[in-house]
Amino acid sequence: SAVISQKPSRDICQRGTSLTIQCQVDSQVTMMFWYRQQPGQSLTLIATANQGSEATYESGFVIDKFPISRPNLTFSTLTVSNMSPEDSSIYLCSAPGQGFSEGTQYFGPGTRLTVL
Amino acid sequence: DAKTTQPTSMDCAEGRAANLPCNHSTISGNEYVYWYRQIHSQGPQYIIHGLKNNETNEMASLIITEDRKSSTLILPHATLRDTAVYYCIVRSKNYGGSQGNLIFGKGTKLSVKP
Repeated sequence: SAVISQKPSRDICQRGTSLTIQCQVDSQVTMMFWYRQQPGQSLTLIATANQGSEATYESGFVIDKFPISRPNLTFSTLTVSNMSPEDSSIYLCSAPGQGFSEGTQYFGPGTRLTVL
Repeated sequence: DAKTTQPTSMDCAEGRAANLPCNHSTISGNEYVYWYRQIHSQGPQYIIHGLKNNETNEMASLIITEDRKSSTLILPHATLRDTAVYYCIVRSKNYGGSQGNLIFGKGTKLSVKP
């Protein structure tokens, strides 16, 4: 299984500012995923980040609001830009399993964001 | 929309088996059934998956009906630490296009009580 870490684990931010969340995987993966979990809700996929190409965003999410970087096969960042209180959520990154674990996904612990 | 239907919540006594049902009547031939759980304030955790045969690992057993339209996740001896939201998800193993994305429904909130 993949071990995934995220930084920061939580943050409280002011309206109008931006926050960059980092995600580190302990193995090389082609794809990484970013999810949002709003309070009391299930997970929603924001985008898929492939190394060496632009991220693919799901309906309702745009690059200007959630720019993503994927500089190598073990790391990705998600920026939440020009934040508003509606962006208060848990943001999770995920990576697919390899080999025997093919088809599964492993998740980081999440970043709990509160926007005031 | 999620392609699965699960009860909103269930209770289970500690030490007893927890049987969590899932309906996936529109599952296609190349789609697997995956189960994840999310303990409060943690990221989702993979539990088990299967195609058509029953599967067992150290965490749980997965029983899939012969027509593959429903399945049951079994936690044989539930503990208080198994209290979590359990998600049943169907998807193909391939990550191409939209087929590969995990689509999370609302899941079943399992409460294990002493």
